Amino acid sequence: GAVVSQHPSWVICKSGTSVKIECRSLDFQATTMFWYRQFPKQSLMLMATSNEGSKATYEQGVEKDKFLINHASLTLSTLTVTSAHPEDSSFYICSATSGMVAKNIQYFGAGTRLSVL
Amino acid sequence: DQQVKQNSPSLSVQEGRISILNCDYTNSMFDYFLWYKKYPAEGPTFLISISSIKDKNEDGRFTVFLNKSAKHLSLHIVPSQPGDSAVYFCAASAVQGGSEKLVFGKGTKLTVNP
Repeated sequence: GAVVSQHPSWVICKSGTSVKIECRSLDFQATTMFWYRQFPKQSLMLMATSNEGSKATYEQGVEKDKFLINHASLTLSTLTVTSAHPEDSSFYICSATSGMVAKNIQYFGAGTRLSVL
Repeated sequence: DQQVKQNSPSLSVQEGRISILNCDYTNSMFDYFLWYKKYPAEGPTFLISISSIKDKNEDGRFTVFLNKSAKHLSLHIVPSQPGDSAVYFCAASAVQGGSEKLVFGKGTKLTVNP
């Protein structure tokens, strides 16, 4: 149980285009979903927290207009990187949590590697 | 400033021996600590956790110890197996802005040699 699916696993795009990443909780309803970014040999950095049906809460320094987050249902959250540039190239990972499963434990997707040319 | 630190970027042990991974934190508001295991090109997988009101939690070959006064926790794996080779992340949880948020260390790469 507690499986989180993330799609796509790898995407290459041209500079200036937008990329959408999907995060789904497959066997539980996620009250909260999180989006992280990881640079090589660094820890996971929280970008934003989203609760179903409400606006995402962004961490300091994360551009809201750049990284659009939508959490339309209890099983789906999307991250759209708008007008992507090479410096946005990174590994993006989502996670989900549910009070019905275990309050403090976040279950992670497999991540999406974004390469912007 | 790093609130969660894993000072050893790598650790190498022999199969069958004990692996000890260490983690230090600075924020006394953290109320829950977790260890995640991560293979290349995969997301982190939850391994074991401990509440701040406990000092030990055991699950099979994995034991996590918490020393609150020293703000230090460790993960013991015994006996270590080659399949345990992965990057281990320590994470600490605290309520911020109404949600339980995790702060991660940079990870320790464990290599278990046959």
